[in-house]
Amino acid sequence: NAGVTQTPKFRVLKTGQSMTLLCAQDMNHEYMYWYRQDPGMGLRLIHYSVGEGTTAKGEVPDGYNVSRLKKQNFLLGLESAAPSQTSVYFCASSYSMTDRMITDTQYFGPGTRLTVL
Amino acid sequence: AQSVSQHNHHVILSEAASLELGCNYSYGGTVNLFWYVQYPGQHLQLLLKYFSGDPLVKGIKGFEAEFIKSKFSFNLRKPSVQWSDTAEYFCAVKQGATGGGNKLTFGTGTQLKVEL
Repeated sequence: NAGVTQTPKFRVLKTGQSMTLLCAQDMNHEYMYWYRQDPGMGLRLIHYSVGEGTTAKGEVPDGYNVSRLKKQNFLLGLESAAPSQTSVYFCASSYSMTDRMITDTQYFGPGTRLTVL
Repeated sequence: AQSVSQHNHHVILSEAASLELGCNYSYGGTVNLFWYVQYPGQHLQLLLKYFSGDPLVKGIKGFEAEFIKSKFSFNLRKPSVQWSDTAEYFCAVKQGATGGGNKLTFGTGTQLKVEL
């Protein structure tokens, strides 16, 4: 199993450009997440998905859109990139919780380092 | 909204010193607790987790954490650190049994540097 993979690993954009980050997981997880990591701020949830075809906003959703057309993939789009979106982006996935006694762990991808000039 | 506090932002220790990193959370109900580690240039990896039962949880690489419900704390400990423990450590909390995507709230992280 590859686990959680992310493409690309690095990207430099100019202000106003758009791009899509791809996350893929081969663990048949129901839930998927996009975070951004900034120095001194930990990880903040951008958007998440509880299943194919569904998405929801997290803590910092503005300026981002997501889609979950297939269970194994979760796409993060930047419509018009801004310097404030310079960050490291992590995708994660986890099982759904059908029983409160079932443990749940989020598994993370390697990250995408995005710079917006 | 739930919050997670990691009061130590930067910690520098010598090899073989003992480690304790603090983590406090604000939610009063059932919680699931995690410590993740991020080695330089790598992604987050799970160190240990607490869901229920024994409040003293043992994880990988000799780390352990103790859940103290009355103090809303989940501090990470290691008796003797190694140079290879140099990394950033994140505490995370999930409100238990609420569904809604099992979202985690992360602390801001503690950067640990272990010197030889």
